[in-house]
Amino acid sequence: EVQLVESGGDLVQPGGSLRLSCVASGFSFSDYSMYWVRQAPGKGLEWVSGIRGSGAITDYADSVKGRFTVSRDSLKSTLFLHMSSLTAADTAVYYCVKPFGLRGHDYFDFWGQGTLVSVSS
Amino acid sequence: EIVLTQSPATLSLSPGERATLSCRASQSVGTYLAWYQQKPGQAPRLLIFDASNRATGIPARFSGSGSETDFTLTISSLEPEDFAVYYCQQCNLGFTFGQGTKLEIK
Repeated sequence: EVQLVESGGDLVQPGGSLRLSCVASGFSFSDYSMYWVRQAPGKGLEWVSGIRGSGAITDYADSVKGRFTVSRDSLKSTLFLHMSSLTAADTAVYYCVKPFGLRGHDYFDFWGQGTLVSVSS
Repeated sequence: EIVLTQSPATLSLSPGERATLSCRASQSVGTYLAWYQQKPGQAPRLLIFDASNRATGIPARFSGSGSETDFTLTISSLEPEDFAVYYCQQCNLGFTFGQGTKLEIK
């Protein structure tokens, strides 16, 4: 059974930093790209970042580029999101997502339960 | 960036009725479109991928159609558990989501 368990969400001051983790199980972690998707309170879904199975290729939404860094530890089957220079606009539930691929395109078929990041003074 | 526009923003229907939700893309996404259902306090759940394919375990009352820029999610006969927010998402070029359609009980 696929499981994705996020942690690390917290209340942080504007300008601060935070690291989110997602421990994966039930599938061959290194075989899959992994993603982060966020949802601000009462708002819709926003793709944040992705990383290939090898870890060599990463991608970011323009809204977080230069401030967030995605990484992974295949030995520990763990996905990370390092967030810095946080602002109130980054306040959201952050979901870790495992995709499945079809003709080279990824669909998000397993989601973690999410971890809440609140940015406020 | 490909923008997805969902309509209506809110849809009020009764159990047993048919629901039709629309998603329009600002440029062609082929059939690389998915639909997700989200209930309060829960993570989204994949319903439809590749515009018209049901994900594992999704009931047959859910169906998707469309290609290029115009897509539809149809729920043939609403069950009480279907009242939720629905999002479309494209994965043809990067990933973007629509703003959501809230399906509420009339």
